[in-house]
Amino acid sequence: GESVGLHLPTLSVQEGDNSIINCAYSNSASDYFIWYKQESGKGPQFIIDIRSNMDKRQGQRVTVLLNKTVKHLSLQIAATQPGDSAVYFCAETFSGGSNYKLTFGKGTLLTVNP
Amino acid sequence: DADVTQTPRNRITKTGKRIMLECSQTKGHDRMYWYRQDPGLGLQLIYYSFDVKDINKGEISDGYSVSRQAQAKFSLSLESAIPNQTALYFCATSDPGDGYTFGSGTRLTVV
Repeated sequence: GESVGLHLPTLSVQEGDNSIINCAYSNSASDYFIWYKQESGKGPQFIIDIRSNMDKRQGQRVTVLLNKTVKHLSLQIAATQPGDSAVYFCAETFSGGSNYKLTFGKGTLLTVNP
Repeated sequence: DADVTQTPRNRITKTGKRIMLECSQTKGHDRMYWYRQDPGLGLQLIYYSFDVKDINKGEISDGYSVSRQAQAKFSLSLESAIPNQTALYFCATSDPGDGYTFGSGTRLTVV
């Protein structure tokens, strides 16, 4: 079946560095992608999303890049802070159908060292 | 108050017992979901409901059942709990084309 996967299960960075978390998706019909952050003991929280008609979208300290040619998604966090330490999940779906469900990747654990 | 509220937050139960996890939302969303999360793994869909009269099985529905009592309420039941159902359970809501809003989770331990 279709799946979304992450290249790196763990990522450790120094405070102040930029972080890049990668995600590969396999469903070429997917047109909506979301990044979630999950802190220990909490539910996933929406960070940023992007639709397939865009290549890049920026938020506050975060940027999502979408490469539809190679079905790759990345999340860039600028000036990473200790509070960014969490598990990050990408998710994908085809929003045009009636069966709107997200498929989640396994997650990347980001650790920010002070 | 949280948009999506799950109760209980933590539960320990014995093998063979029936247990219900509850979820309520104030988002006004029609769509609700139950996910299971195991350590080191992503979220796996158990059941989902697109409105009060619509219930659908997800990837891992065996051993689980659900009830959509109202637009705002979606409960998950384990009819006869077993140890490999020990996991973190999340309820979520969504609107078409938007991302999900998750609850804080229920940590279930079956001994």
